[in-house]
Amino acid sequence: GQQVMQIPQYQHVQEGEDFTTYCNSSTTLSNIQWYKQRPGGHPVFLIQLVKSGEVKKQKRLTFQFGEAKKISSLHITATQTTDVGTYFCAGQQSWGKFQFGAGTQVVVTP
Amino acid sequence: DTAVSQTPKYLVTQMGNDKSIKCEQNLGHDTMYWYKQDSKKFLKIMFSYNNKELIINETVPNRFSPKSPDKAHLNLHINSLELGDSAVYFCASSPNNYEQYFGPGTRLTVT
Repeated sequence: GQQVMQIPQYQHVQEGEDFTTYCNSSTTLSNIQWYKQRPGGHPVFLIQLVKSGEVKKQKRLTFQFGEAKKISSLHITATQTTDVGTYFCAGQQSWGKFQFGAGTQVVVTP
Repeated sequence: DTAVSQTPKYLVTQMGNDKSIKCEQNLGHDTMYWYKQDSKKFLKIMFSYNNKELIINETVPNRFSPKSPDKAHLNLHINSLELGDSAVYFCASSPNNYEQYFGPGTRLTVT
């Protein structure tokens, strides 16, 4: 079955530094979504990537979808304390079924 | 005017009991989901409904039974609760099988 692997599992970042989290699917995806969950909160939709090679930016966040639509990445520049939380990717292979990655838990030290 | 609401927020109960969690969305979405998030924060889809019809039914014990009385509601009933059922359960809705809007979650603790 479809598997979505997300690395790293934990990311300790100094404030102001950049980091990247990666999502790798065992099968070609129709689209991939990214979510952020703050501690004690619920997942909040960030973005969806649909096209092969697509790149989207949201302020300091850059999302990419690989050419083969199996890999995606989230790059955050100049990390701030507000970036703390767990970032999930969710790959969709067939209608209605999303496979979430295990998440990257981000801790920011001032 | 909460978009996706769940009740209760916390649920503490003993093994063997039966309990229900309710979910309502006022976004007019056609699709609703139930997810289970375990202590390691892993999010696993349990069920998906589209216009009151069950679309996805993952490998979930049949002690879990979803029910969608209308498009805006998706409830989850759990029979004979077990210790391993302790988790946070999230309801979500989606307008077109794209972005999902999650509810605040129900933290279930089985003792």
